[in-house]
Amino acid sequence: RKEVEQDPGPFNVPEGATVAFNCTYSNSASQSFFWYRQDCRKEPKLLMSVYSSGNEDGRFTAQLNRASQYISLLIRDSKLSDSATYLCVVSSSGGYQKVTFGTGTKLQVIP
Amino acid sequence: DAGVIQSPRHEVTEMGQEVTLRCKPISGHDYLFWYRQTMMRGLELLIYFNNNVPIDDSGMPEDRFSAKMPNASFSTLKIQPSEPRDSAVYFCASSLPGRGRGNTIYFGEGSWLTVV
Repeated sequence: RKEVEQDPGPFNVPEGATVAFNCTYSNSASQSFFWYRQDCRKEPKLLMSVYSSGNEDGRFTAQLNRASQYISLLIRDSKLSDSATYLCVVSSSGGYQKVTFGTGTKLQVIP
Repeated sequence: DAGVIQSPRHEVTEMGQEVTLRCKPISGHDYLFWYRQTMMRGLELLIYFNNNVPIDDSGMPEDRFSAKMPNASFSTLKIQPSEPRDSAVYFCASSLPGRGRGNTIYFGEGSWLTVV
């Protein structure tokens, strides 16, 4: 089983739609969780951290479910500019960090 | 503020040649990562350093790959000899150590390598 698994998509959604991605992780000791965004032919950039209590940033909501070992990202009122690949990232912290990226979920928002 | 700086941005080389990729992390960051990204395998961690010391190189594909970090502001990833299957985007990234909630990894723009 991969350490971090994502549905590669693509998710094709119309503008204004709500879309959700899930990501599962295998290491129950994982402590930190993030969503990164990667535009075509660009580097990944942090979108948001994922906190145990869940967190929201504008149209974006991230949730963590430790019992089922998954995190989710919800995008409301999708914009054309949201078209990108969304990478799930899981990190174990401690004396040193081990960060694992998922392979990403591609989102295409259609006019 | 300068981000992570990588060079070259693009390189096309012939099979068997040596390739050296360079990276300058963000000043003050004490973690440095080298990643490789391909369509088939996604983003793979090759090696990372903490305070210039290699911590985990288990992702380095084989002996043809080597990485060094001689000081806090410079790192290299070398492939010798290069092979067509090494064609990929190589990202260097840096971060501060985690503080409970983890930390952000900042990526350079990548070095696009094509081996023909």
